[in-house]
Amino acid sequence: DAGVTQSPTHLIKTRGQHVTLRCSPISGHKSVSWYQQVLGQGPQFIFQYYEKEERGRGNFPDRFSARQFPNYSSELNVNALLLGDSALYLCASSFLQGANEKLFFGSGTQLSVL
Amino acid sequence: SQQGEEDPQALSIQEGENATMNCSYKTSINNLQWYRQNSGRGLVHLILIRSNEREKHSGRLRVTLDTSKKSSSLLITASRAADTASYFCATDRVGNTPLVFGKGTRLSVIA
Repeated sequence: DAGVTQSPTHLIKTRGQHVTLRCSPISGHKSVSWYQQVLGQGPQFIFQYYEKEERGRGNFPDRFSARQFPNYSSELNVNALLLGDSALYLCASSFLQGANEKLFFGSGTQLSVL
Repeated sequence: SQQGEEDPQALSIQEGENATMNCSYKTSINNLQWYRQNSGRGLVHLILIRSNEREKHSGRLRVTLDTSKKSSSLLITASRAADTASYFCATDRVGNTPLVFGKGTRLSVIA
């Protein structure tokens, strides 16, 4: 079975541009979470979606938005990119949303903002 | 904000030695999980310990949890060069919040 897939793998953008990152969860998983990981730090929670509804949002500005589609895939959008948005963006899926769920991560999208 | 804090930040050991990493957290939890990350890519789940458990084993991994001290430890026995990675603790806090990760411990196992 395929794991969590993310696209693209790498992306280079300039300040002020917009970016869309995509994630396909493991088949049967209904929850998708997005994390931002800056070099040398742990992943920071951005969003969680379950059954196409937003179930949690981290401390990120409104430039960050996301959605989940009927097939449970997800997109993360970032508008008006800043240099500080350069990071590894990780998508993780789980079967359910709630306590004691373990996350399955994709390999991430490395975003560089110049 | 990050709930967990791993200690040490970096650890370098010889192959065959044991590696111990610690995690402290701040609020009541449902469970605590440990993840591994190779070379800045995706994280891999290692083990989950529930708040009512004190110790758990999986292969060469041993995890302990002390809820009174709000701390956990991960022990990797008989380490191998392939264990070289960053290790993160993540807490699932009471109240159905998303997993919150610590800053990680970078483990280097020298052959």
